[in-house]
Amino acid sequence: AQSVSQHNHHVILSEAASLELGCNYSYGGTVNLFWYVQYPGQHLQLLLKYFSGDPLVKGIKGFEAEFIKSKFSFNLRKPSVQWSDTAEYFCAVNGGSQGNLIFGKGTKLSVKP
Amino acid sequence: GAVVSQHPSRVICKSGTSVKIECRSLDFQATTMFWYRQFPKQSLMLMATSNEGSKATYEQGVEKDKFLINHASLTLSTLTVTSAHPEDSSFYICSARLWAGTSTDTQYFGPGTRLTVL
Repeated sequence: AQSVSQHNHHVILSEAASLELGCNYSYGGTVNLFWYVQYPGQHLQLLLKYFSGDPLVKGIKGFEAEFIKSKFSFNLRKPSVQWSDTAEYFCAVNGGSQGNLIFGKGTKLSVKP
Repeated sequence: GAVVSQHPSRVICKSGTSVKIECRSLDFQATTMFWYRQFPKQSLMLMATSNEGSKATYEQGVEKDKFLINHASLTLSTLTVTSAHPEDSSFYICSARLWAGTSTDTQYFGPGTRLTVL
């Protein structure tokens, strides 16, 4: 069965620190990959997505992610985090039989001002 | 961007009553909507797939008679929790699938509904 692993449950950083959140998936076919962000009290918002082409994709708010097919990874990065990036981040793959998303367990990011 | 609304955002009900949650895609048509359930500190778990004009497809372990889904139009899907019990208390999230070819297959999420069953 397809699955998505996010290895970091909770990451705590100071402002201006660099961020990398890991995401690995297990799926043998063609995948579409997503990162969603959920700010406190708000709904899931699409941060970025990868379908094909350049494996380095840029999203909103300075985030980017790199698809490495050989490693089945799609890690999220940001060079310099801000306090406002405090949120929960979910990696997902569009690999469900119904076209549904399969989510990782999420990584909570806390940024200290 | 694509917007999905959910109503109500929060509901408290007595055990044994039924609760209806609406999910609407506001600026696009969605032939497919998904219903997820999110437990505290856990990820989203797919409950069912709602296809316009056809019966919903339920994931294993989800009772179709308890969680009734109706996708009456291309912009509206409803989830009715029938005879709710405290163990049904959870955060229910819908998403609407925007699909115009494989390169645009993206889901947009509603804000969720917090259900508390007393």
